[in-house]
Amino acid sequence: AQTVTQSQPEMSVQEAETVTLSCTYDTSESDYYLFWYKQPPSRQMILVIRQEAYKQQNATENRFSVNFQKAAKSFSLKISDSQLGDAAMYFCAYRSEGRAGSYQLTFGKGTKLSVIP
Amino acid sequence: DSGVTQTPKHLITATGQRVTLRCSPRSGDLSVYWYQQSLDQGLQFLIQYYNGEERAKGNILERFSAQQFPDLHSELNLSSLELGDSALYFCASSVASGSTAFFGQGTRLTVV
Repeated sequence: AQTVTQSQPEMSVQEAETVTLSCTYDTSESDYYLFWYKQPPSRQMILVIRQEAYKQQNATENRFSVNFQKAAKSFSLKISDSQLGDAAMYFCAYRSEGRAGSYQLTFGKGTKLSVIP
Repeated sequence: DSGVTQTPKHLITATGQRVTLRCSPRSGDLSVYWYQQSLDQGLQFLIQYYNGEERAKGNILERFSAQQFPDLHSELNLSSLELGDSALYFCASSVASGSTAFFGQGTRLTVV
């Protein structure tokens, strides 16, 4: 079974600075997808970014980028120019190609990010 | 707004009771997933449906069941409720089984 580990339960960053959230995963599969989801106090799960394992290029979405190291099974999220609205729980998630069409997400425990004005 | 609608937003019920949580997926999405988020277990996958058929089961208790109807909305039925079932229940949907899932706002269930 796949596992996802987020080793930083809490982190903080100054507004306008850069922060990196860590995520490692364990899998024996070669094809899979990785995601970062954000959960603000409103509790909505919001997709931040997605990475396909077969792509060597790291995904980027505006101020959010990832550092995907397939051999090391590492998938960190970098948030640049942090804003107050970035304060939230961040979840790393793994999705396999699944057998017989199952595509469930396996989540890490989350990292609570605080942004200091 | 993700386009996934869950009702009700909050639910308070007593132990031993039965409740039904409802999910309307995004327009055009055929796949529906249910997840449970609790303090001790984190986010756990419960069950997936695709176009009315069950596709995968995760850590779903026998007291829980789900279905997806012809109009593609889904319901999660929780029975013989226990205090430990108190959690946030999310529904997510995707166009196909392999595409990115978008989440609803969740139903907060409190069992007293």
